[in-house]
Amino acid sequence: DVVMTQSPLSLPVTLGQPASISCRSSQSLVYSDGNTYLNWFQQRPGQSPRRLIYKVSNRDSGVPDRFSGSGSGTDFTLKISRVEAEDVGVYYCMQGTHWPPTFGGGTKVEIK
Amino acid sequence: EVQLVETGGGLIQPGGSLRLSCAASGFTVSTNYMSWVRQAPGKGLEWVSVIYSGGSTFHADSVKGRFTISRDNSKNTLYLQMNSLRAEDTAVYFCTGGGDYGYWGQGILVTVSS
Repeated sequence: DVVMTQSPLSLPVTLGQPASISCRSSQSLVYSDGNTYLNWFQQRPGQSPRRLIYKVSNRDSGVPDRFSGSGSGTDFTLKISRVEAEDVGVYYCMQGTHWPPTFGGGTKVEIK
Repeated sequence: EVQLVETGGGLIQPGGSLRLSCAASGFTVSTNYMSWVRQAPGKGLEWVSVIYSGGSTFHADSVKGRFTISRDNSKNTLYLQMNSLRAEDTAVYFCTGGGDYGYWGQGILVTVSS
């Protein structure tokens, strides 16, 4: 199985400051159709996951533009340009290129 | 508005069976691939099963031979039949679909304990 490694595990951030989460895969996530199936999810406390980003850099409808995704091959990044209180939660990357789909271990974003 | 509502969870003894249901509204289960993802208490997300629009199904190795994913197109509902349950199956189970995990239900807790 493809291993997804996120860092850091915990990310204390000051309100209004940027935050960055790294996700690395054990194999390239480029699929045979040329797409890279790398998603980012946000899970707020007590809630179900919500997809923020699909195929590396496409933001879902309703997701604030302070969230952005980038990367290629095996290295990917989720950035929050200015952290707000509602961004507290755990963020997961997930690959859907290789079988079976696998998730990263999660990064907990908290306010300092 | 898309909604996925899971039901059927609860407390079950090891070796027992449960069937989870996920009723969908706002989109059609049969024309999308649908999955179950679970989250053990305090842990991360783990993919469990998928059913494609054509009917093909696949399961994680950890549940293969014990869990079966299915759907009822007339009811627009997804199911997960869970047999031979183990303590390590204790988790919140989410149904998800709508194209590459775009929609998620609220989750349903399954507790396997004597």
